[in-house]
Amino acid sequence: EAQVTQNPRYLITVTGKKLTVTCSQNMNHEYMSWYRQDPGLGLRQIYYSMNVEVTDKGDVPEGYKVSRKEKRNFPLILESPSPNQTSLYFCASSLDPGTNEKLFFGSGTQLSVL
Amino acid sequence: AQSVAQPEDQVNVAEGNPLTVKCTYSVSGNPYLFWYVQYPNRGLQFLLKYITGDNLVKGSYGFEAEFNKSQTSFHLKKPSALVSDSALYFCAVRQGGGNKLTFGTGTQLKVEL
Repeated sequence: EAQVTQNPRYLITVTGKKLTVTCSQNMNHEYMSWYRQDPGLGLRQIYYSMNVEVTDKGDVPEGYKVSRKEKRNFPLILESPSPNQTSLYFCASSLDPGTNEKLFFGSGTQLSVL
Repeated sequence: AQSVAQPEDQVNVAEGNPLTVKCTYSVSGNPYLFWYVQYPNRGLQFLLKYITGDNLVKGSYGFEAEFNKSQTSFHLKKPSALVSDSALYFCAVRQGGGNKLTFGTGTQLKVEL
């Protein structure tokens, strides 16, 4: 089954403790992206990747890191989480944004930073 | 900068009645427009898109959207709402030739019996 898999679904952590949210897709998609969803703000893009080893900042990249060493994986890293990073995070992928292919989304990761 | 506005936080409609969820956009050049739906505890799912051609676009689950260039709008519509349509709906825009997809803040649709 074609899917984007995020782990974990729920994560509670404390300020400053490094964490990684994993994202993997099995559709051989070129494009991958991370979004955060906050009430009243909709989805905001954190980082995106057009291909392996190619990443770029979205609208709200501060406090986040990403890497794209393999085509299927695009982990989101919070080196020193802070409470304002408490949010619902989504990973998404598509064949090629230039062709306006639809985005496939993971099920989300609810992160709470205490 | 490109942007999307969804002026209604919530839309309530009775089952069987037509529904409209509003979206307006701002972008340089030709817009590529999308609607996504989010059911509780799920990721977003693609509903439909407008790239070029006919201004009325048909999508999944009986939804359609009308592109209006003069009003810079892309409203989502359905002739007869179902309770199962209750969900959070997002409009998104991408500038032609660009990589960035910008989402609106979402509209909660509630369909009641």
